[in-house]
Amino acid sequence: DGGITQSPKYLFRKEGQNVTLSCEQNLNHDAMYWYRQDPGQGLRLIYYSQIVNDFQKGDIAEGYSVSREKKESFPLTVTSAQKNPTAFYLCASSISHSPGQPQHFGDGTRLSIL
Amino acid sequence: QQQVKQSPQSLIVQKGGISIINCAYENTAFDYFPWYQQFPGKGPALLIAIRPDVSEKKEGRFTISFNKSAKQFSLHIMDSQPGDSATYFCAARANNAGNMLTFGGGTRLMVKP
Repeated sequence: DGGITQSPKYLFRKEGQNVTLSCEQNLNHDAMYWYRQDPGQGLRLIYYSQIVNDFQKGDIAEGYSVSREKKESFPLTVTSAQKNPTAFYLCASSISHSPGQPQHFGDGTRLSIL
Repeated sequence: QQQVKQSPQSLIVQKGGISIINCAYENTAFDYFPWYQQFPGKGPALLIAIRPDVSEKKEGRFTISFNKSAKQFSLHIMDSQPGDSATYFCAARANNAGNMLTFGGGTRLMVKP
């Protein structure tokens, strides 16, 4: 059953702590994306990766970091530099970064600050 | 600055009625306009999409209307059902931005039985 798996579903972070959100896909997609969702603001792009070992900043990359060492995995680290990390984080993938390819989403990770 | 403005933020419709959600944009480089449906606790799922060379696209009870000159597009849900209750997002992609999407702020739709 192909799809995108995000874990954990809920995550709590202490002040000053880095946390890493997992995103795994078995769709054999080249392109992967991380979005942040806040109430009333839609989805905003954090980082994207067109291919393994490549990634680019999106609109709100400050305070976040990513890696793309394997095609199927695109973890997102929320660093202590991100001052307002509480949000719903969504990972997506598409066959490629070419225009018009549908993006398929995981079910998200909700991050909260303790 | 929100490049895609979506309205209303919330919408209540009776079962069997028509739900209408509107989006407006300024960037004339946008050339692909998808709509996503999101249920609580889930990721968005692609519902329907349109390109600016057509004025309307219909898939089942869902129709996108597109007005290129006004830079507006809308989603119509005919015969709305309680199972359609979800948050809907419009989005747009610029022709020079690969596959990056800019999303509207979302509309929370509730269809009353």
